[in-house]
Amino acid sequence: DTAVSQTPKYLVTQMGNDKSIKCEQNLGHDTMYWYKQDSKKFLKIMFSYNNKELIINETVPNRFSPKSPDKAHLNLHINSLELGDSAVYFCASSHWEVHEQFFGPGTRLTVL
Amino acid sequence: SQQGEEDPQALSIQEGENATMNCSYKTSINNLQWYRQNSGRGLVHLILIRSNEREKHSGRLRVTLDTSKKSSSLLITASRAADTASYFCLSGAGSYQLTFGKGTKLSVIP
Repeated sequence: DTAVSQTPKYLVTQMGNDKSIKCEQNLGHDTMYWYKQDSKKFLKIMFSYNNKELIINETVPNRFSPKSPDKAHLNLHINSLELGDSAVYFCASSHWEVHEQFFGPGTRLTVL
Repeated sequence: SQQGEEDPQALSIQEGENATMNCSYKTSINNLQWYRQNSGRGLVHLILIRSNEREKHSGRLRVTLDTSKKSSSLLITASRAADTASYFCLSGAGSYQLTFGKGTKLSVIP
């Protein structure tokens, strides 16, 4: 069984569009994260969310918004996509007090 | 930049040799983790070391932490071709302040 899953795996879209990436974890974790990995393979945290508190990396544009319908899901919505948003986006989850994170397989977003 | 530093950026060794990767970070931390990323895949957790620990072992992995120098090292002993991957450190100052290093790309030649 997949522990952390993301859909879609690949996403190709035009500038200006709005898109969403879905993330689900079946590990019973209470904290979920979104990371961006750029073309140089640098990884940066975008959000962490533990069903009570959302922490946003201040460098993340407000076009990006996480939405959590329940503890097992943390979706990422992106408005008005820009070329610079092209990257691989990873979802991850962990227990709040245990820091080991489990990562999803990633979503490769290409903005044309 | 908030990104931690890792060196070397790339490392190529023969199977059976040891591989050492280093990571430096910028702020005080609670813990430091190491992750492996195979090409085109997600990250896999390898080991976590807490700020009050100096060394930790897990199988062929040995991690050290020097908080006075704000640095950590990952040693993989008796490397195998399957160890070929990128390795990242993740420094944590609480669950909110998480910073990845730039990564070391390890190639193990059979």
